[in-house]
Amino acid sequence: KNEVEQSPQNLTAQEGEFITINCSYSVGISALHWLQQHPGGGIVSLFMLSSGKKKHGRLIATINIQEKHSSLHITASHPRDSAVYICAVTKSQGNLIFGKGTKLSVKP
Amino acid sequence: NAGVTQTPKFQVLKTGQSMTLQCAQDMNHNSMYWYRQDPGMGLRLIYYSASEGTTDKGEVPNGYNVSRLNKREFSLRLESAAPSQTSVYFCASRGTGQKAFFGQGTRLTVV
Repeated sequence: KNEVEQSPQNLTAQEGEFITINCSYSVGISALHWLQQHPGGGIVSLFMLSSGKKKHGRLIATINIQEKHSSLHITASHPRDSAVYICAVTKSQGNLIFGKGTKLSVKP
Repeated sequence: NAGVTQTPKFQVLKTGQSMTLQCAQDMNHNSMYWYRQDPGMGLRLIYYSASEGTTDKGEVPNGYNVSRLNKREFSLRLESAAPSQTSVYFCASRGTGQKAFFGQGTRLTVV
């Protein structure tokens, strides 16, 4: 069983919809990361969080440490949000362990 | 700031050839990483370096060697490339308790 599981694997939404991507993990962590990978391949870190909630523009990330679960929300989705969203966790030694990613496609 | 600079962007090798992927960061980060990304799989750690002068194996180290030349640079070497090493490679760096920064990736094909 993977230490980091994401759902769904693929997600298609209409422009303007509210989107939720989920991440569950099975190991002790010091932090959880949400990353974005656009077609063309570059990876950008969106959030790093160890408790509570963070917001940046239309993106919101939450984490529940007791449940070992995190969600990434996108409000008022736009075609430019189309990308692969990757959840990763940092274990005590500092290495990142990645989920397989959620491919999001937002249709105009 | 350039962030993490990774070269080359693309490379085609013949089986048995060798090559070195270069990575440099200008953020004074202690930790640097090499990952590979294959279809249907998450990024997998090849090697990492927690500080200058130290390196450790990750999940998939076989067929690779690394060198942490100084705090800025962390190179990945394929001594004898195999088709199974066809992948997209990412270098990353991270400061203590900070988010990770990634290079643009190297798309390597071994024929």
